[in-house]
Amino acid sequence: ETGVTQSPTHLIKTRGQQVTLRCSSQSGHNTVSWYQQALGQGPQFIFQYYREEENGRGNFPPRFSGLQFPNYSSELNVNALELDDSALYLCASSPVGWQYNEQFFGPGTRLTVL
Amino acid sequence: GQQLNQSPQSMFIQEGEDVSMNCTSSSIFNTWLWYKQDPGEGPVLLIALYKAGELTSNGRLTAQFGITRKDSFLNISASIPSDVGIYFCAGRTTSYDKVIFGPGTSLSVIP
Repeated sequence: ETGVTQSPTHLIKTRGQQVTLRCSSQSGHNTVSWYQQALGQGPQFIFQYYREEENGRGNFPPRFSGLQFPNYSSELNVNALELDDSALYLCASSPVGWQYNEQFFGPGTRLTVL
Repeated sequence: GQQLNQSPQSMFIQEGEDVSMNCTSSSIFNTWLWYKQDPGEGPVLLIALYKAGELTSNGRLTAQFGITRKDSFLNISASIPSDVGIYFCAGRTTSYDKVIFGPGTSLSVIP
């Protein structure tokens, strides 16, 4: 059973650029959530995707958008990057009917905005 | 909005000592979760709690879901060097709701 994988591992961008981060969910998991983790803080919920549709969103502006594909993999897109977007971006997957099945996290993508 | 507070913020303990950390919230959660994060990695689920008053163990780790539904604690017995890391509590209201994370407790174990 393959766990949650994310790519790339690290990324450096400049202000104003756009970035796409990718996530492959764990086998059998059809729900994907994205989190932003700033240095020294806990993960902050960005949004969740279920059946290829956004199913809940945290307090993040519209320039943070996502996609989920039929194979349950997902992308996080961030437009017009700002310095404060520098963070570890975590993807977590969970199975259908996940009342008692919690999220499993990938290793994250470290984004640095210069 | 919903916020979680964790204490202590950091701990330095001797190997073999027991550890206790807690998490409080201004609002009620129906699920409490405890995760551990090592440097450069994603959080790993340690314990999940689903009922008020529930006490659950995972090896040397024990966690409890507070009866008010606004707090939880995690105990680690006989700490070892590999316990080093950041421990996050997290809460969820409904099974389809977002998970709210606390700011974390950093644990250092001195051999």
